[in-house]
Amino acid sequence: QKEVEQDPGPLSVPEGAIVSLNCTYSNSAFQYFMWYRQYSRKGPELLMYTYSSGNKEDGRFTAQVDKSSKYISLFIRDSQPSDSATYLCAMSAQNTDKLIFGTGTRLQVFP
Amino acid sequence: NAGVTQTPKFQVLKTGQSMTLQCAQDMNHNSMYWYRQDPGMGLRLIYYSASEGTTDKGEVPNGYNVSRLNKREFSLRLESAAPSQTSVYFCASSFGTVNGSPLHFGNGTRLTVT
Repeated sequence: QKEVEQDPGPLSVPEGAIVSLNCTYSNSAFQYFMWYRQYSRKGPELLMYTYSSGNKEDGRFTAQVDKSSKYISLFIRDSQPSDSATYLCAMSAQNTDKLIFGTGTRLQVFP
Repeated sequence: NAGVTQTPKFQVLKTGQSMTLQCAQDMNHNSMYWYRQDPGMGLRLIYYSASEGTTDKGEVPNGYNVSRLNKREFSLRLESAAPSQTSVYFCASSFGTVNGSPLHFGNGTRLTVT
């Protein structure tokens, strides 16, 4: 079993929809949770960063962490075609060099 | 404002050939990383360098070597390329382990080994 599980998709939604992307994990030591967005033929770019449990909002994006369920989510409101990309979750424990990535979910938002 | 720069962008090698992938960052980051990305496998850590002068193996180090040339530069060398090393290689950097410092990635080197 992988430390971090993420549904690969693809997820196809109409413009304006609310998108929910999720990851589950097994290591209870994880404290830092991130979401990266990766456009085709580009490197991943940091989208959201959360420490421990709770919610964080940035514009149309909301990151949610539920440590009791070992489950993290990224919500995208009013999705746009420009949101079409692969979204990778990533997480790490305290005082470690290593970030563990999910395999990524490919999202397509059609007009 | 370059961030993380990788060269070359594309490369085709024959089995057994060698090559070095170059990476440089201008963000004064302490830690640097090499990942490979394959369909269905996600990002897998090859090697990392927590600080200048140190390197450590990641999840998939076999067939690779690295050099942390200085604080800015971290190179990845394939001594004898194999078709299984066909992949997209990403270099990344961060401030380090304190407070789960996020990674900043380059745009990758697409390597094909025939």
